[in-house]
Amino acid sequence: GAVVSQHPSWVICKSGTSVKIECRSLDFQATTMFWYRQFPKQSLMLMATSNEGSKATYEQGVEKDKFLINHASLTLSTLTVTSAHPEDSSFYICSARAGLAGEESYNEQFFGPGTRLTVL
Amino acid sequence: AQTVTQSQPEMSVQEAETVTLSCTYDTSENNYYLFWYKQPPSRQMILVIRQEAYKQQNATENRFSVNFQKAAKSFSLKISDSQLGDTAMYFCAFMNLGTDKLIFGTGTRLQVFP
Repeated sequence: GAVVSQHPSWVICKSGTSVKIECRSLDFQATTMFWYRQFPKQSLMLMATSNEGSKATYEQGVEKDKFLINHASLTLSTLTVTSAHPEDSSFYICSARAGLAGEESYNEQFFGPGTRLTVL
Repeated sequence: AQTVTQSQPEMSVQEAETVTLSCTYDTSENNYYLFWYKQPPSRQMILVIRQEAYKQQNATENRFSVNFQKAAKSFSLKISDSQLGDTAMYFCAFMNLGTDKLIFGTGTRLQVFP
């Protein structure tokens, strides 16, 4: 099956610093990647949708200047949390969609293992 | 706006028994997908089963099956012959074909005990 990786799996940083999280599709080209945030014992909340070569589309309430998303290639998307603060501590999960519109696989998202961010 | 409701925060079942997890959703759309995802303690999201709204037949994947009631907007998951490895959080999710966004329910924590 399709594999999505995330790096790092766990990061601890000081308040005010920036952290970059990578999401890679290992064995397929991802036309679209999604970034989610999950608080402890809660559900996944979509933060943004990114398509290769274009600007990300952010969900309402998500600060685009704080959560910078870059989707430079069909296998890599990055999420940078800028000037991180303790309230940004969370579990960040990416997913990737393979296939083209009309294909059976188009509506399935493959998830990465997540990145735990702790801001001190 | 679409919403997904899982009314059971926690469920437990004995090994080899059957358990059903509930999910209801609200939408005015006609074309959409429904999913059940499993999130074990490793927190890796795993697709369990999916249902296309235009299909009347309920989806089945080995021990997992759904009861899809489109008119009632209900999408329950039945796990047969429960195994210890089924212990996880289970999320019901909705995708509108127009937006391609997954909307998740709040999850049901399932504990399978020996």
